[in-house]
Formats: sequence, structure tokens, C-alpha cells
Amino acid sequence: DTEVTQTPKHLVMGMTNKKSLKCEQHMGHRAMYWYKQKAKKPPELMFVYSYEKLSINESVPSRFSPECPNSSLLNLHLHALQPEDSALYLCASSQAGGGTDTQYFGPGTRLTVL
Amino acid sequence: RKEVEQDPGPFNVPEGATVAFNCTYSNSASQSFFWYRQDCRKEPKLLMSVYSSGNEDGRFTAQLNRASQYISLLIRDSKLSDSATYLCVVNGAGSYQLTFGKGTKLSVIP
Repeated sequence: DTEVTQTPKHLVMGMTNKKSLKCEQHMGHRAMYWYKQKAKKPPELMFVYSYEKLSINESVPSRFSPECPNSSLLNLHLHALQPEDSALYLCASSQAGGGTDTQYFGPGTRLTVL
Repeated sequence: RKEVEQDPGPFNVPEGATVAFNCTYSNSASQSFFWYRQDCRKEPKLLMSVYSSGNEDGRFTAQLNRASQYISLLIRDSKLSDSATYLCVVNGAGSYQLTFGKGTKLSVIP
């Protein structure tokens, strides 16, 4: 089973709201990722967690705050977002984060910031 | 030079046609290569990994030429359900870093 789940599927929020995106996998993967994808563009890496520790932060603004409570869960906390942050947010996981690992994507959360 | 380059298309082909997509990558140290497909407003889904020896999965054949830094995907006997955007993906400079091409859009027409 190569399933990564994400909630919610859709989220509309105002610029002053605080919300969280959730991601879960039960494949025993030890690397988890957040990507942002705008329309007609490829996914852009935001964060990587490896063995529950933040390994990569691709210079993402602090209004995005990732959290990895355990090896199966990954959250993305959102605060004071801008309309240009509206996008599809994808979570992915891979076995151990090595160079040959295959990443499996969740269905994404479609975020609209008003 | 862009890290992973693909022809954006769109490729409009009739059902039953054979279609080939090409991709080039700039980082000669890349270790792993993939084709993902992405349907409109959905997540990327792994289609196949690509190996130097070439690999085939049903109607799909992928090839890698490390010397030329070139990856290809061949789809035979196209089906309507093959309509999607095909992303060429290469692992980048870091071990976690996937580099995506911009994708090639395929429309299979009845």
C-alpha cells in the first residue's frame, strides 16, 4: 500500500487566520516532504523531515511552520498567509530519504487565501 | 541551462498512436530518474522509475542514456485514460532533492 493521506482536501482562509494541514503515512517511511504547486507549474520543495528531524528548509517564509510529531505524521501550520500563497500543497514520503528513494505523494490540500 | 528540460507540448494524438516524450537533465551526478503522471488538479503519481538498462511496464517503456543525460518515455497503443501531464523527475544535488521538469501535456483524442 503506497498511500499518503492529507486533510483537509480544500481550505479557504483569510489572511489573519491560523490553520494547519495534516499528512499521514503508514508505510514505515522515515522521510516526509512538503511541496507547493501552483497551476501549470511543477511541485516546489518546501521542507524535508528525515527521521522526524527537519533536514531541509528551502528558504520558506516563517508564516509556514512545519511539524513532525512522529514518524507517521507531518503537519504544516499556516499563519498570516498572503493571497499569493494560494496553491496545491502536497505531502510526500519516501523510505529513508536517500538519493534513489521513490517519493509517494498524497492527494494534496487545495488552499485558497482570501 | 535548466536542470530538467521537457517539451511542454501539448501532444494531441489519436487513440492507438505511439507517442514519445524526451527529457534532458544537466546534473551529471544525478542518481535516480522517474516518470510521474499528473492528472488535472490531482497529485503526481509514480509511473515508473528509469534505469540504464531500460525498463518496460505494459505499454510504457522508459530509457536512460547517462552519457547524453537523456531520458525517454514511450507510450504504445495510447488510451484516452493516458491523457495527463507527464513529469520527468531527477534527483538533484542533495539526496532528498527531486528536480521536476515542467511536464509534457498529453491529450489522447478519440
